[in-house]
Amino acid sequence: GAVVSQHPSWVICKSGTSVKIECRSLDFQATTMFWYRQFPKQSLMLMATSNEGSKATYEQGVEKDKFLINHASLTLSTLTVTSAHPEDSSFYICSARSADPLEQYFGPGTRLTVT
Amino acid sequence: GEDVEQSLFLSVREGDSSVINCTYTDSSSTYLYWYKQEPGAGLQLLTYIFSNMDMKQDQRLTVLLNKKDKHLSLRIADTQTGDSAIYFCAEARNDYKLSFGAGTTVTVRA
Repeated sequence: GAVVSQHPSWVICKSGTSVKIECRSLDFQATTMFWYRQFPKQSLMLMATSNEGSKATYEQGVEKDKFLINHASLTLSTLTVTSAHPEDSSFYICSARSADPLEQYFGPGTRLTVT
Repeated sequence: GEDVEQSLFLSVREGDSSVINCTYTDSSSTYLYWYKQEPGAGLQLLTYIFSNMDMKQDQRLTVLLNKKDKHLSLRIADTQTGDSAIYFCAEARNDYKLSFGAGTTVTVRA
């Protein structure tokens, strides 16, 4: 089956620093990747849609300068949380869509803690 | 409020059937999905159903869709301890973006 990986799986950083999270589709090409944020015991909130070779589309209320997304290849998208603050602490999950738009595969998530 | 609603908790005895319910509001939804999330992990796609279908069965999983009432359910037959997880219902619109419910925590007791 389709596998999506994320790196790192967890990260602790100091307030004011930037953190980069990678999302890779391991055995398929993903023209579209999505980035979600999940708070404890809550649902996933879509942050942005990332298409290979073009600018990401951000959902309403998501700061594009705060959450930088790059989708440089068909197998890699990155999310950089810039100038992180404690309120950015969350579980960040990416997903990738294969050629079949019906199936969206999720990564294992990255736990970010900002101290 | 959320566009997709689910009950938050379900407790079921091992071996019994579990039924997880979901309602959605957007009648233009084209596909409806069920995902499973185990603690500290991402989401695993369990199954999906096209909006013009009434039922889909895949091994122990049965999905029922009542489009008139915008009601979706997931039945897990012979529930096992490994089925303990959070189950998310999601709807996809024409752009295939997913909108998730809050998730139902299923606890399987011996």
